[in-house]
Amino acid sequence: DTAVSQTPKYLVTQMGNDKSIKCEQNLGHDTMYWYKQDSKKFLKIMFSYNNKELIINETVPNRFSPKSPDKAHLNLHINSLELGDSAVYFCASSPATGPYYEQYFGPGTRLTVT
Amino acid sequence: AQSVTQLGSHVSVSEGALVLLRCNYSSSVPPYLFWYVQYPNQGLQLLLKYTTGATLVKGINGFEAEFKKSETSFHLTKPSAHMSDAAEYFCAVTERTGGFKTIFGAGTRLFVKA
Repeated sequence: DTAVSQTPKYLVTQMGNDKSIKCEQNLGHDTMYWYKQDSKKFLKIMFSYNNKELIINETVPNRFSPKSPDKAHLNLHINSLELGDSAVYFCASSPATGPYYEQYFGPGTRLTVT
Repeated sequence: AQSVTQLGSHVSVSEGALVLLRCNYSSSVPPYLFWYVQYPNQGLQLLLKYTTGATLVKGINGFEAEFKKSETSFHLTKPSAHMSDAAEYFCAVTERTGGFKTIFGAGTRLFVKA
């Protein structure tokens, strides 16, 4: 029944580890996003995919690699985790690519790197 | 490049009082504007949006916002605050060109006092 779901909800790991966050949407949307929200609640886009094609690739370290196996899924893999990667990561989707579409957000994954 | 400024990182009102959350944007072309709300430990959800047409936009939970081009503003209001309105509110603008990237403001935390 959940529109946009993310797993895991919480992720605690040590520096240098590799971790993945999974996202799935059952809304039939074509476009999906990854956002990072820092401790001050600032929300910044990282990536966007439309029908499995990367369309937005912001300036993020190449340790972050998104992957979209199909248009309902967008995963985020992070290599060699650093303390500064600690944040809440949100997945979102929208019906299509366009400036007038609102986005539907998942519940977030709180990543803590120790 | 477009940007969004939310005046006041924290706003406190009494229950039943008027809620006014301020948002100003900068854009070289007419923007698409959004307000999202984030309740604690949840993802963002859309309150309302302005695309074209009527400049006074009504949203969910009794909120409304008015697009004022001359003032480059899109302030959010609600006549009477309820305890359940306590949350973080984000103003956002989507660029009309390029990868249709959504830029979020820094957020305003609304506190409602009994």
